[in-house]
Amino acid sequence: DAKTTQPPSMDCAEGRAANLPCNHSTISGNEYVYWYRQIHSQGPQYIIHGLKNNETNEMASLIITEDRKSSTLILPHATLRDTAVYYCIVTSGTYKYIFGTGTRLKVLA
Amino acid sequence: GAVVSQHPSRVICKSGTSVKIECRSLDFQATTMFWYRQFPKQSLMLMATSNEGSKATYEQGVEKDKFLINHASLTLSTLTVTSAHPEDSSFYICSAKSPRDRGSNQPQHFGDGTRLSIL
Repeated sequence: DAKTTQPPSMDCAEGRAANLPCNHSTISGNEYVYWYRQIHSQGPQYIIHGLKNNETNEMASLIITEDRKSSTLILPHATLRDTAVYYCIVTSGTYKYIFGTGTRLKVLA
Repeated sequence: GAVVSQHPSRVICKSGTSVKIECRSLDFQATTMFWYRQFPKQSLMLMATSNEGSKATYEQGVEKDKFLINHASLTLSTLTVTSAHPEDSSFYICSAKSPRDRGSNQPQHFGDGTRLSIL
């Protein structure tokens, strides 16, 4: 079973920040949090990952709580092309991914 | 960035035939590749872990004689669906890990999937 829980769906206005939460209360000390997204009929696209510090790249920011039991993916200025299913995955670096049900983000014009 | 290519992107064939799907890492060597299956409106389900030069490790409930995996080189893994039937129709996706990223926590990079339809 997946070690993460995410809301099934969210809407976000175009141009606004999209904040996608993920709960991973059973995360172990050596496990990372990875975020991917899947646009219809394509393979998942890597977004960002982190261990305990907040991370930022050209696509998004990842905020991990101090106890590491939850995290939030932030898309700072959502566009229509960000409409996708977003998956949060917790795993140690050398281990396999178990996908949960993800969050279906719809960006509204 | 790292690129993983799958071929074919779509295949339609008759029941009873075998279908081979290729997964290639284009600009890096991948000692480990993963195969997933995704049914409509569902999440990805890991089928097996493919290790270069050794036997694949299958997840519980996945028939290894039905889904043959070969990882003969550091850039190519193949999944063969043997004697395919309509219930095998699905979206098959592979992934690989690039050694260029930092440490052992490098992310997997996914191919664009193969949509298999068995008539």
